[in-house]
Amino acid sequence: DQQVKQNSPSLSVQEGRISILNCDYTNSMFDYFLWYKKYPAEGPTFLISISSIKDKNEDGRFTVFLNKSAKHLSLHIVPSQPGDSAVYFCAASVYNTDKLIFGTGTRLQVFP
Amino acid sequence: GAGVSQTPSNKVTEKGKYVELRCDPISGHTALYWYRQSLGQGPEFLIYFQGTGAADDSGLPNDRFFAVRPEGSVSTLKIQRTERGDSAVYLCASSQGLAGTDTQYFGPGTRLTVL
Repeated sequence: DQQVKQNSPSLSVQEGRISILNCDYTNSMFDYFLWYKKYPAEGPTFLISISSIKDKNEDGRFTVFLNKSAKHLSLHIVPSQPGDSAVYFCAASVYNTDKLIFGTGTRLQVFP
Repeated sequence: GAGVSQTPSNKVTEKGKYVELRCDPISGHTALYWYRQSLGQGPEFLIYFQGTGAADDSGLPNDRFFAVRPEGSVSTLKIQRTERGDSAVYLCASSQGLAGTDTQYFGPGTRLTVL
């Protein structure tokens, strides 16, 4: 049973435009959500997170939006840059537990 | 180095053999995690250590998998009687261990191939 789902395996965006990556979850006990970025042959790198008490968190070009009623979160990258090309994983955890539950990832390609 | 390191980077073994994978966490991090990433999937939680003890081993798939962290720093993931289905990238992560929301920093992983 996939508790965290990323239904788009890939996304292609032109440099300078907005990239929107989506994630859905089924477990209503999740209260902390994260996005990780992964380059080939490297481990995932933390990008941004959001607590369930918020609906938006922003860090530079990256913004994460959380819609609890829809059990949906999204990552917006504006403006997109070629260096953003990577696989992006959505992850979630339950309060006071430490294990992360990951989605299957979305491969983002930003072309010039 | 400043990050999480894992050795070896690649391991090829034959079905039925025993393997050990090593993880060196960031210095001072008390929490250590093992995940497994199969092809086309996201990382899947295996086990979490707080200090020397396994605080949560609910992700270990069966009793062929075992992990230790005897001195609260380096950890070793041990797989007995390897099977072809064990082939995956094994990722280690560490965090400060102060709160469940502490950032987990990942190593580059060990790619295990079971022939």
